[in-house]
Amino acid sequence: TQLLEQSPQFLSIQEGENLTVYCNSSSVFSSLQWYRQEPGEGPVLLVTVVTGGEVKKLKRLTFQFGDARKDSSLHITAAQTGDTGLYLCAGVGPSSGSARQLTFGSGTQLTVLP
Amino acid sequence: GAVVSQHPSWVICKSGTSVKIECRSLDFQATTMFWYRQFPKQSLMLMATSNEGSKATYEQGVEKDKFLINHASLTLSTLTVTSAHPEDSSFYICSARGGDRVILRQETQYFGPGTRLLVL
Repeated sequence: TQLLEQSPQFLSIQEGENLTVYCNSSSVFSSLQWYRQEPGEGPVLLVTVVTGGEVKKLKRLTFQFGDARKDSSLHITAAQTGDTGLYLCAGVGPSSGSARQLTFGSGTQLTVLP
Repeated sequence: GAVVSQHPSWVICKSGTSVKIECRSLDFQATTMFWYRQFPKQSLMLMATSNEGSKATYEQGVEKDKFLINHASLTLSTLTVTSAHPEDSSFYICSARGGDRVILRQETQYFGPGTRLLVL
């Protein structure tokens, strides 16, 4: 059973559209990270959110950490073809388990069509 | 930023042979290294965690005798897939975490570029 569930699993949209990816868990994490991975490469860290309710913006990407630190969302505005990739959330913890281990979500494969 | 390299980037081998994958931290000392396995379009699954100079801790369901991990120095960890079979074909990714980069409540793992293994 995956500790972190992402939705949707697959998403295909047209360039210029907006989208939101969700990352949900029943466990509390001390922090949560979002990664983007392209085929044949390792994941690249986009952001780390630490405080419940925190919102971070990275150009067209907006990341939010839930108040209870159990869930997070990634919103992309005006998607571009270069945003195509596998998006992974990863929780540090959970607090009841290994404190410093990353737990990866199930992943969201995003395809942005021209 | 910190750089982690993996070698080889891809390998094709015959069933029954053993394959060694190297993971190196190039500009920092990695007190802890992690090995992940990833199937196409799926997430990363942690296989094992290794701390320099000690035995690796394997996740449930991962055979330690099949996936040998050695973390002999602060910059190098190796994963050896022994007697590889076609079902071992996958994308193997390592990550490294340095003691001097740990910030309270923030954990930074630096990921390698991955190694594609194809067992025929």
